Amino acid sequence: QVQLVQSGAEMVKPGASVKVSCKASGYSITAYKMHWLRQAPGQRLEYLGYIRSNEDTTNIAQNFQGRVTLTRDTSISAAYMELSRLTLDDTAVYYCARGDFGDGNWFDPWGQGTLVTVAS
Amino acid sequence: EIVLTQSPATLSLSPGERVTLSCRASESIRGYLAWYQHKPGQAPRLLIYDGSNRATGIPGRFSGSGSGTDFTLTISSLEPEDFAVYFCQQRYKWPPITFGQGTRLEIK
Repeated sequence: QVQLVQSGAEMVKPGASVKVSCKASGYSITAYKMHWLRQAPGQRLEYLGYIRSNEDTTNIAQNFQGRVTLTRDTSISAAYMELSRLTLDDTAVYYCARGDFGDGNWFDPWGQGTLVTVAS
Repeated sequence: EIVLTQSPATLSLSPGERVTLSCRASESIRGYLAWYQHKPGQAPRLLIYDGSNRATGIPGRFSGSGSGTDFTLTISSLEPEDFAVYFCQQRYKWPPITFGQGTRLEIK
């Protein structure tokens, strides 16, 4: 069974960084892209970027370049998203999702989400 | 950036009814649209990709159609577990990948 399990909720202060993990099971993370997205309260989903399947290069959405770092550890089938210089507007549920079908830019499955709350 | 607009925002229906949800793109995205179902506290689930292809394990009551700028998701006969938020996503012109704002399907 293909599954993505994310790390738990985080509360962080403005200006700090947060790192969210995503543990994959049931498939090899070197065979699929891993995407990251977020949804702030009352807002539509926002795309952050992805890490490629067969190499550790990334494609980060323009709005997040310089603040988002995507990495992975293939030895434990885990992917990570680190967001730096947090502001109150970064409060959101963050998701990882495997890229599947077509060119790998449809999302299936998703992790359960990680709530990141930025508050002083 | 391609903007996806979903309608209606909320729909109240009863189990057994047929429902059609709409997603309109601000410019043509050919057939490159997906639909997802999202229930509170759960991971979103891919239902339809490339406009009309059902994802693995998705029941036949879910169907997608459309191309260009207008797309629909149809549920032929609502089951109790279908009451959720549905949102669309395009991958034709990216970056950025963009999403609709969602339609909430609630029990009448």
